[in-house]
Order: sequence, then C-alpha cells, then structure tokens
Amino acid sequence: KQEVTQIPAALSVPEGENLVLNCSFTDSAIYNLQWFRQDPGKGLTSLLLIQSSQREQTSGRLNASLDKSSGRSTLYIAASQPGDSATYLCAVSSLTFKTIFGAGTRLFVKA
Amino acid sequence: EAQVTQNPRYLITVTGKKLTVTCSQNMNHEYMSWYRQDPGLGLRQIYYSMNVEVTDKGDVPEGYKVSRKEKRNFPLILESPSPNQTSLYFCASSAGTDLGEQYFGPGTRLTVT
Repeated sequence: KQEVTQIPAALSVPEGENLVLNCSFTDSAIYNLQWFRQDPGKGLTSLLLIQSSQREQTSGRLNASLDKSSGRSTLYIAASQPGDSATYLCAVSSLTFKTIFGAGTRLFVKA
Repeated sequence: EAQVTQNPRYLITVTGKKLTVTCSQNMNHEYMSWYRQDPGLGLRQIYYSMNVEVTDKGDVPEGYKVSRKEKRNFPLILESPSPNQTSLYFCASSAGTDLGEQYFGPGTRLTVT
C-alpha cells in the first residue's frame, strides 16, 4: 500500500531564505505527483504537477523535482516571502489513479 | 470562470439523517474525486470517478456512496451519517482521459451530532 511522508512537519525560516520541502513515497509505480498549498481554513491550490516520465517542473520561484526510482520529490522555494506561509502538501497518484496525500509541511516565513 | 463548486459549504445534521453533498465542475473534466480532511489524519480519498458511470473506491469509502450520471456532477451521499463522519470534505476534478492536475473545490464542513 502506498505511503507518502513529508519532512519536515513544520519549518520556520527568515524571509529571503531558499528552502526545500521533501516528499517520499514507498511505491515507485506512480502516475504523477502534485504539490499543493493550503492556507488555514481554505481549500487547496495546485502548485506543480510532475508526470512520472518527467524529472522536474518549474513555476516562478518554485521548482519541483521527481526521482521515481528512489521514491522522492522535493519542492524548492527560492527567496521565500511571508506570503509563502502555508501548509504544503504532496499527493501521489497511482497507475489506477488513486491518490494518496502526505501529511504536509507547515511553513512559516518570518518578515 | 472555471471552477469546482460544492454545496452546501457548511452543514450540521443529526445521526442517521440521509444527506447529499453536491459537487459540480464547469470544465468538462472526466475525472472527479471526493476527499475528507481530518486533523492528524490529513487528506484521504473517499471515491473517484474516471468518467460517467465509472467509479472506484479510495482509501476510506465506508459509509459513503457516489454516483456519476453526468460528467459535470459527482454527488457524495451519506445514507446514515454518524459522528465519525464529521469532517471537511473536498471535491476535485481533473481534465483528460488520464489523470492530470487536480483542481479542488472550496470544501464542505460537515458536523454530525
């Protein structure tokens, strides 16, 4: 059964710092992996989608990488800002399109 | 505006009283899915649907029913709600015949007393 783990569970950094969030999964037979952010009391906002055949995706200050063989994905956030404070979730979808979420990393960027 | 809508957004009900949470998308997406989010347990998939009349179980389907009679709608039915189904529910949809980027609705907060 697929298990998705996100490390760290929480992270506090000063504004301007570059940071890396980690997502690991136990079954490498995935269809895709998606990163989301969730603000307190709000819904999910899609950040990046990586198909299983891709190695990375970039959007603005965000870069997500995927190493399927080792069961890992990282979300790199450059030059962090207070507005980046949120919970970041990774979701792994299987070949049958079932989706498993990690527990998330709660990020706080201090001004 | 392209969006996933859910109704109601908030619902308080009593044990055993059947209810339906509606989900609708206006993007002509094939894939739709329901999730629940609970403190300490995160987001868990309840059911998903790859197309009309095609549904499959997620990780926590017990106590829920779904139907997909039209492409745009994917209602979640709780035939006999119990307090352990108190949760925040999200509907999502995705384009294409294969699974792509998932777009989420605003959520429905359900309380069962």
